[in-house]
Amino acid sequence: RKEVEQDPGPFNVPEGATVAFNCTYSNSASQSFFWYRQDCRKEPKLLMSVYSSGNEDGRFTAQLNRASQYISLLIRDSKLSDSATYLCVVNALDTGRRALTFGSGTRLQVQP
Amino acid sequence: DTGVSQDPRHKITKRGQNVTFRCDPISEHNRLYWYRQTLGQGPEFLTYFQNEAQLEKSRLLSDRFSAERPKGSFSTLEIQRTEQGDSAMYLCASSVDLAGISYEQYFGPGTRLTVT
Repeated sequence: RKEVEQDPGPFNVPEGATVAFNCTYSNSASQSFFWYRQDCRKEPKLLMSVYSSGNEDGRFTAQLNRASQYISLLIRDSKLSDSATYLCVVNALDTGRRALTFGSGTRLQVQP
Repeated sequence: DTGVSQDPRHKITKRGQNVTFRCDPISEHNRLYWYRQTLGQGPEFLTYFQNEAQLEKSRLLSDRFSAERPKGSFSTLEIQRTEQGDSAMYLCASSVDLAGISYEQYFGPGTRLTVT
């Protein structure tokens, strides 16, 4: 079983739609959680950190459910520029290192 | 540009050749990471440095791979006797780690390796 699992998609949605991605992680010792965005043939870039209380940044809302070990990302009012791969990322501090464990990513295609 | 830089951006090599990649982290970032990413997958951890000390190596890092960060600034990743399975994007990231608290990792643009 992969440490971080995501639905690969693609999610094809029209502009203005609301879309949600989920991600599950297997290491219960995971402490930090993130969503990264990766455009085609580019490096990953941090979209937002995910906090236990949930957090929002403009059209983006992230939620964490520690009991069920899943993380979600909600995108409202989708824009064409949101088309990208969204990577779910966790950091398990029990390993003593700070390297990130990435999911395989969920591809989003927003259509006009 | 004060971000993470990597060189070269692309490398095509023949099987069996050695290749070396360079990463220049954001200045004053004490942590430097190497990841590998293949098509359709997320980046996978290879190794990381705290200043000049290499603190961990993934089991993905076979003995053909070696990484250095001699002065705690730039880092090099060398692959000896390349194999076709080494074809991937090699990503470098850096971050600040203070008193056990890690901050955002910033990624470089990557070096795309193709082994023919």
